[in-house]
Amino acid sequence: GQSLEQPSEVTAVEGAIVQINCTYQTSGFYGLSWYQQHDGGAPTFLSYNGLDGLEETGRFSSFLSRSDSYGYLLLQELQMKDSASYFCAVYSGYSTLTFGKGTMLLVSP
Amino acid sequence: NAGVTQTPKFQVLKTGQSMTLQCAQDMNHEYMSWYRQDPGMGLRLIHYSVGAGITDQGEVPNGYNVSRSTTEDFPLRLLSAAPSQTSVYFCASINRDQTQYFGPGTRLLVL
Repeated sequence: GQSLEQPSEVTAVEGAIVQINCTYQTSGFYGLSWYQQHDGGAPTFLSYNGLDGLEETGRFSSFLSRSDSYGYLLLQELQMKDSASYFCAVYSGYSTLTFGKGTMLLVSP
Repeated sequence: NAGVTQTPKFQVLKTGQSMTLQCAQDMNHEYMSWYRQDPGMGLRLIHYSVGAGITDQGEVPNGYNVSRSTTEDFPLRLLSAAPSQTSVYFCASINRDQTQYFGPGTRLLVL
């Protein structure tokens, strides 16, 4: 089976840096993805790590360590619009994703 | 280029009724998936398809059927609706880089 663990809620202030961790246990692993979901909306793709290391896309970065079954999403220069839920998801083949339960990020002024 | 579209946006059913949730994509992606999202549960995979004519079960397939007669369309059928199927349903289409593009969702209430 698959299981993913991520914090349920994280709070931060505008301009700060926040890191959302994700640990996973899976029977098959090809990569780790991150998705953002605003309340009432559809999830949108943020990043994908198929190999160990850091991937950077603007203010967002994602890291993967396959040996530790661990990854994180790093959000820099936080803005109010970053308040949303963030999901890590394991890609385990045939383009199927198993999602974590999500981390709600609350950004305050 | 509309991406992934889903209809209806909202639906109320009575227990035992059947219905079909429609999903279409215009990106020519081979892979498509259906998820349900419940509070505190994240997204759970119901069924997926790796191409026209090929479907398979995900984590929570019971009570749902799918078919994939064309690359563009991937409808999800509820055979006999139950209150436990009250949820938000998302369809997704997947590109070669494993990016999933989600539709806007269908909010279903089963009474």
